[in-house]
Amino acid sequence: DAGVTQSPTHLIKTRGQHVTLRCSPISGHKSVSWYQQVLGQGPQFIFQYYEKEERGRGNFPDRFSARQFPNYSSELNVNALLLGDSALYLCASSYIRESPSDFGPGTRLTVT
Amino acid sequence: AQSVSQHNHHVILSEAASLELGCNYSYGGTVNLFWYVQYPGQHLQLLLKYFSGDPLVKGIKGFEAEFIKSKFSFNLRKPSVQWSDTAEYFCAVISNFGNEKLTFGTGTRLTIIP
Repeated sequence: DAGVTQSPTHLIKTRGQHVTLRCSPISGHKSVSWYQQVLGQGPQFIFQYYEKEERGRGNFPDRFSARQFPNYSSELNVNALLLGDSALYLCASSYIRESPSDFGPGTRLTVT
Repeated sequence: AQSVSQHNHHVILSEAASLELGCNYSYGGTVNLFWYVQYPGQHLQLLLKYFSGDPLVKGIKGFEAEFIKSKFSFNLRKPSVQWSDTAEYFCAVISNFGNEKLTFGTGTRLTIIP
């Protein structure tokens, strides 16, 4: 069974641009969470979606948004990119609304 | 707000040495506690978790952790480390009611010398 998959693996953008990151959860998992991991720090919670509804939001500006589709895949969107948005963006999934046990490999975003 | 402290930023051990990584959290209510591992070039994996019951939790690859409520601690232990345990280790906490947000510590980099 495939694990959590994320695309793209790497991305380079310039300041002010927009980016969309994608996540496919493990089959049967209905909850998806997004985390930002800046180099040298632990992951920070951005969003959780369960059954296509936002169930939690971390301390991130409104430039960050997300959605979950009927097939439970998810997108994370970031507008007006800043240099400080450079990070590894992690997606995690779980079967029910519980803490995630399965993380994807992440998308490495570099903003120049 | 909940927070997690991992005071050991980088730990260097020889193979077969015993390991203990510290984790303290701050939250007054019921918590669920986790240890994740990130091997070089790989994604985060769950090592073990504590929800309730026996405060001594056994995880994968010979790791265990003990929840001490009075000390707000959840230290990770392994009696004999191997070179393959070289990785970044993250402690995380989630409060039990209505908030599914995992709060991670800053991580401990573990280097095992053969």
